[in-house]
Formats: sequence, C-alpha cells, structure tokens
Amino acid sequence: DSGVTQTPKHLITATGQRVTLRCSPRSGDLSVYWYQQSLDQGLQFLIQYYNGEERAKGNILERFSAQQFPDLHSELNLSSLELGDSALYFCASSAGLRMNTEAFFGQGTRLTVV
Amino acid sequence: GIQVEQSPPDLILQEGANSTLRCNFSDSVNNLQWFHQNPWGQLINLFYIPSGTKQNGRLSATTVATERYSLLYISSSQTTDSGVYFCAVDGETSGSRLTFGEGTQLTVNP
Repeated sequence: DSGVTQTPKHLITATGQRVTLRCSPRSGDLSVYWYQQSLDQGLQFLIQYYNGEERAKGNILERFSAQQFPDLHSELNLSSLELGDSALYFCASSAGLRMNTEAFFGQGTRLTVV
Repeated sequence: GIQVEQSPPDLILQEGANSTLRCNFSDSVNNLQWFHQNPWGQLINLFYIPSGTKQNGRLSATTVATERYSLLYISSSQTTDSGVYFCAVDGETSGSRLTFGEGTQLTVNP
C-alpha cells in the first residue's frame, strides 16, 4: 500500500460528460501530481499542486482542471469527455515542492469513455 | 525537457533467468525511480536511486549519475515478475515532476 488513495477505481461514462477523480496524498505530503497513462502516449504529467497552489502544468487539456483543498486532497475534473480521454489516471504525492524525494503513486482510476 | 530512454522495449525470459534493464537520461537528475506496473495497472515502487547501488531481494539497481544511466537487475526471474518496468526521473532543469521512459515489457514464462 503506497498510502496514496484514489477513488473511484473504475469509471465508465459517455462522451460529452464530466467526471471528477479524487486523490488523497500520503500523510504529511504536501505535493500532489496527476498523470495520465494512455495506450499511445505512455505516462504523461498533467499538473502539480503544492499546499493548495498550482505549481506546474504539463500536457493538460483545457477541458481538464484540478484543485487541491485545505485538507490536501485533490480532485481532477474532466469535462466534455471524448473517446480519446479513456486512460488510466494516476495521482502521486511527495513531501516537498520538488519530486526529488521518493514519490508514491495511487492505484489509479481507469476511465472508459463510451 | 529531459529525455528518458529505456531498453530493451520487450523482453521474454524463461523462469529462473537473469536480466538487465537499462535507462538512459539526458540531463542531471534529482530523483530516479524504478517502478513495476503489474497486470492490474498498479505502479509499484521498486527503487528510489538517484545515485549508487541498492538491492532488495532478487532485484538490484545501480545509477551512475555522472554517465546518465541506470540499470535494473532481476535475478532468478519468476512469473510474477512479468509486467512493465518504468524508469522515471526528475531532471534538475526540467521542472518539478517525474518524466517516465516508455518502459520495458517483461514476460516471464514458466
């Protein structure tokens, strides 16, 4: 058990819909990172939050947004879903601002858009 | 940004065989981690190894930071070792995130 909790584990939804993925970081970790793993793109960094503030953005679509709450859990919102958004979405957490200490990943949310 | 190349892309072994997986990276790193992604998709931490050598049971890893590569050794492989092995790095100049290689797909046959 990595200590990072993601819910739900599986999600099936229709095109055009909106979903919210949730992540609780390891106790004491202030940074949360979101990654997308699709078959043709590998593991891609989406966005990082540190202690409630957005700190870094990767290949995140404008239809996607995230936030980190005062209790440090984070949510990734995906809207106007397309078939190509089907992927495994991971959350990771680390203690500090950088990922220069060991990072731990949650079990992922498998999103299927039909 | 930092480039991460893993080799080989695919590896098929018989149970009991040994293997070496390689990860080359293009810049100095603050962090290097090896992960195993099991058939259920879960990313399992194997090693946090920005430099030096570590061992954990049948697995060991070595990172030579000055030459920008890392090696993961699997000895006496078992069928449960099957899956994808990823190397991921946090480059000193590439921003605060882990950049993943494409992975090595390992299949261990009984």
